[in-house]
Amino acid sequence: AQTVTQSQPEMSVQEAETVTLSCTYDTSENNYYLFWYKQPPSRQMILVIRQEAYKQQNATENRFSVNFQKAAKSFSLKISDSQLGDTAMYFCAFIQGAQKLVFGQGTRLTINP
Amino acid sequence: GAVVSQHPSWVICKSGTSVKIECRSLDFQATTMFWYRQFPKQSLMLMATSNEGSKATYEQGVEKDKFLINHASLTLSTLTVTSAHPEDSSFYICSAPFLLAGSTDTQYFGPGTRLTVL
Repeated sequence: AQTVTQSQPEMSVQEAETVTLSCTYDTSENNYYLFWYKQPPSRQMILVIRQEAYKQQNATENRFSVNFQKAAKSFSLKISDSQLGDTAMYFCAFIQGAQKLVFGQGTRLTINP
Repeated sequence: GAVVSQHPSWVICKSGTSVKIECRSLDFQATTMFWYRQFPKQSLMLMATSNEGSKATYEQGVEKDKFLINHASLTLSTLTVTSAHPEDSSFYICSAPFLLAGSTDTQYFGPGTRLTVL
C-alpha cells in the first residue's frame, strides 16, 4: 500500500524567509502523481503544486517549487519569500491509478511577521 | 474552472436526526466524487467514493448504513448522515477530479461542512 509521510508536524519562520517542507512516500509503482495542498484557517483545501513522476523537471508555481527525488521517493516543497498568507496546514498527497488520494499527516506552517 | 461547492457550510442538529450534505461540481462534470472526514488538527480520511449511476464504494470501517451516499447526476453527490450522534460531529469535505490538459485528474475540493450533533 502507498504511504505518505510528513515528518515535520509544525514549522515556523519569519516573513520573507524561505522554508522547505519535507515529504516522503512509498510505492512500488513507476507512474504516479504527487501534490501539495494547502489548508488555511478557512479549511478550504487549495492545490498548491503538482508533479508528474515521469517528468524529471521539478514543478514550480511562482514562489512555490518542489524538489522531486524519484529514487529517494522524496517530494519536498520550498516556499520562497514567505508571506503571512502562507500560514496554513500543508498536505503532501500521492495518487496512482484509481484516483484515490493518499495524504500525509500534514505540516502546520506559521509565518511570523 | 474546477470549482466545487458544498452545502451547507455548517449545520447543527439534534441526536437521532438525519443530515444531508450536498457536493456540486459547478463548471465540470464528475462521474466520481470523494467524501472525506477530517478531525481537528488531523489529515483527511477518505470515507467513500461516490459513483454516478451506481453504488458508492466505502472504505474499510465506514458504516454504509450510517453514511448514505447518492450520486444523483454528473454534478451532484449527497452524503446523508443518518441517525446522527455526537461522535459523528466532524468536518466533512468532498472532492471531484478534474482533468487538466496534458496531465492526470486533479482533485478539487469543496469548502467543507462542519457538522455538530447535540
